[in-house]
Amino acid sequence: DTAVSQTPKYLVTQMGNDKSIKCEQNLGHDTMYWYKQDSKKFLKIMFSYNNKELIINETVPNRFSPKSPDKAHLNLHINSLELGDSAVYFCASSQDASGANYGYTFGSGTRLTVV
Amino acid sequence: QKEVEQDPGPLSVPEGAIVSLNCTYSNSAFQYFMWYRQYSRKGPELLMYTYSSGNKEDGRFTAQVDKSSKYISLFIRDSQPSDSATYLCAMTKGPNTGKLIFGQGTTLQVKP
Repeated sequence: DTAVSQTPKYLVTQMGNDKSIKCEQNLGHDTMYWYKQDSKKFLKIMFSYNNKELIINETVPNRFSPKSPDKAHLNLHINSLELGDSAVYFCASSQDASGANYGYTFGSGTRLTVV
Repeated sequence: QKEVEQDPGPLSVPEGAIVSLNCTYSNSAFQYFMWYRQYSRKGPELLMYTYSSGNKEDGRFTAQVDKSSKYISLFIRDSQPSDSATYLCAMTKGPNTGKLIFGQGTTLQVKP
């Protein structure tokens, strides 16, 4: 059983397109996150939801819009994709709204390539 | 200045070596410290979890926290080629206080 699952694993698309990434967790965690990992492996938080409520919204272009239909799902929609959006996007979940209780559980990532 | 600093490496060692990975941080409020391991094209996975100061050992891995120096370490004994990965430190202040702050990761290669 996959704890945090993301789809798709790979996404290749043209500039200007709109795309979505889906995430689901079956751990019963209350908080979910989207992280962006650049080519140098640095993980940068984008958004965090706790029980469907947005609690962290870092400085991210408003072309990125998260949606949490319930606490087990967190999706990421990206409008008007740009070359600079190419990265690996990770979904994660945690028991509490900080990761203090045994950290995050990460999905396997979505490798987005914008051409 | 970043809240958490980690030497990105890369670090290359022969099989069997002792590896020391380190992070420094600036926020004295951090209480929970973690190390994640990330294999190529995979998500990070939690390797070690420590609360406050002290040592924690799990098999070949030892995590140390020195809060007075704002310094954490991960030691790997008898390193194996399967330990080749990126290691990320992470920390936070406490439950429901925001988010984990990650170091930028150290890439380790263990050569047979």
